[in-house]
Amino acid sequence: ELKVEQNPLFLSMQEGKNYTIYCNYSTTSDRLYWYRQDPGKSLESLFVLLSNGAVKQEGRLMASLDTKARLSTLHITAAVHDLSATYFCAVDIMIDMRFGAGTRLTVKP
Amino acid sequence: DAGVTQSPTHLIKTRGQHVTLRCSPISGHKSVSWYQQVLGQGPQFIFQYYEKEERGRGNFPDRFSARQFPNYSSELNVNALLLGDSALYLCASSLQGYITEAFFGQGTRLTVV
Repeated sequence: ELKVEQNPLFLSMQEGKNYTIYCNYSTTSDRLYWYRQDPGKSLESLFVLLSNGAVKQEGRLMASLDTKARLSTLHITAAVHDLSATYFCAVDIMIDMRFGAGTRLTVKP
Repeated sequence: DAGVTQSPTHLIKTRGQHVTLRCSPISGHKSVSWYQQVLGQGPQFIFQYYEKEERGRGNFPDRFSARQFPNYSSELNVNALLLGDSALYLCASSLQGYITEAFFGQGTRLTVV
């Protein structure tokens, strides 16, 4: 059975610091997605990673995909309070996406 | 351009009742997927429909059913509601039958009492 594991599950950061969220998965897939969810809200698409070695950046967030290692990372640079949210990775297995449990990020002033 | 729209946004039902949730995909998108997100967890796949046909089903009981209409909108039906069905139900729209990028609606918060 496909497993998608994120770590850490909870992350408390100071503003201005850097950190990385990891997403490991247990099956072959070339497509991985990162979503952001604010409390009580829906999922906002952040990154779509469609091939091995894909790297995408948007503002203070950068995502990468290593399909051979079955690993994706979401790197946060110089965190700001507005980044506080829950971040999910999801692995594409053709007709559905299997989500990780999410990383709840809190950025403190 | 309208995104994925879901209705209602909130709903309270009693155990044993039936509920119907609705979703309209992004214009031009032919695939709709449904997910259940229990508080504190990631979304769990329930169904995918493409061109009005069921293409996939997650590990949910037969109390859960869905359909897709000619205009590509979709309904999710849940019979004999249980307390454990309380969750945020998310509809995702994508262009084709396989996922390339899915766009999520705002969700329907279902509370079963």
